Parts: sequence; structure tokens; C-alpha cells
Amino acid sequence: DVVMTQSPLSLPVNLGQPASISCSSSQSLVSRDGNTYLEWFQQRPGQSPRRLIYKVSHRDSGVPDKFSGSGSGTDFTLKISRVEAEDVGVYYCMQYTHWPHTFGGGTKVEIK
Amino acid sequence: EVQLVESGGGLVQPGESLRLSCAASGFIFSSSWMNWVRQAPGKGLEWVANINPGGSEKSYVDSVKGRFTVSRDNAKNLLYLQMNSLRVEDTAVYYCAGWFGESNCWGQGALVTVSS
Repeated sequence: DVVMTQSPLSLPVNLGQPASISCSSSQSLVSRDGNTYLEWFQQRPGQSPRRLIYKVSHRDSGVPDKFSGSGSGTDFTLKISRVEAEDVGVYYCMQYTHWPHTFGGGTKVEIK
Repeated sequence: EVQLVESGGGLVQPGESLRLSCAASGFIFSSSWMNWVRQAPGKGLEWVANINPGGSEKSYVDSVKGRFTVSRDNAKNLLYLQMNSLRVEDTAVYYCAGWFGESNCWGQGALVTVSS
């Protein structure tokens, strides 16, 4: 199985400051069709997960442009340009290039 | 409005069975890949199973192979997860999640507790 490793585990951030979360995979996530199926999810406390980013860098409808995704191959990053109180929660990367789909362990974003 | 609503969770003893259902609305269910993802108490997300739009292709995480079966009824816009031989380690909130076009949707989750 593809192992997804996220860092850091916990990310305390001051309001209005940027945040960056890393996700690395144990194998390349480039699919035979040329796409890279790497997604990012946000899970606020007590809520279901919500997808923010698909195919590395495409924002879902309704997701603020303060969220951006980048990366290629085995190394990926989610950035929040200016953290607000509503961004508190756990962020997960997930790949579905390979079976089975696998999630990273999560990064908890909190306000300092 | 796109919506997924799970039902069927509950408390069961080890070795027993349970069937989860997920009712879909607001999108073309019959064209969507559907998934079950679970989250043990205080833990991260784990993908459990998925099924292609027509229901002919199914995949499972190793830990549930042979015990869980995913199925769908496209006429009724329903997704199912039949869970047999449940173990204590299957205790989790089970989410139904759909991938359709460039969109994605999750249900509110159903809690399954396996305990003697």
C-alpha cells in the first residue's frame, strides 16, 4: 500500500499568518493517464470531512482562494495564505492513484 | 442540494452483522463512484471500500476483505455496506462519500460500535 506521510502533526498558527502542510507518498502518484490523484480534505471539529483540493492543485467549488495546493510525484503541499479562526481543524491528504486509496495521518491546525 | 445521509449504525457484539445504508440526492448517483470511509474514535480517516457507477467493480481495504460487501441500487439512489463478522477494531464512524465529475460529497456519518 502507498504510505502517505504528513508533517507536521500539529501546527499552531497566529491569526492572519500563513500555514503550510506537507504530504509525501511512498510511491509516485502520477497515474498511467498522466493525472496525479492527490486530494486535500479539511475536517473541522465535530464535522464530516470536506474536500478542498483535487488533482494536486484544483480548488473545489466554494473553497476560498486562500487555500492552494502544489507539488508533483511524491511531494505535495497545502498552503493557507492567512489563517482564520474557521480554519481550525485537521487536514488530510489522500491518494487514489493506487489501490487501496490511502490517507495521510492528518495535521491539526490550531490558533496560537 | 447535494446530500448523502447514512443510516443503520448501532451497537453490536463481536461476530455480529450490521448493514449501513446511504441515501443520495442532488446529483446523478448512477454516474458516481461511491465510497465508504471510516474514522475510529480520535483517529484519522481510513478508506474502506468503493464501487463503480454500474456496481460491477468493487474494492476493499485488506482488513475488511471477505467480511464487508459494498453494493448499490441505482434505481433507489442507495449505497450499502454489509458488515459481517464484526470486530472490536471495526468500531468507527462510517462515512459515505461520493466522487462525481469534479465534485465530492460526504455524509454526516454513522457510528458503529462493536463491543461485548
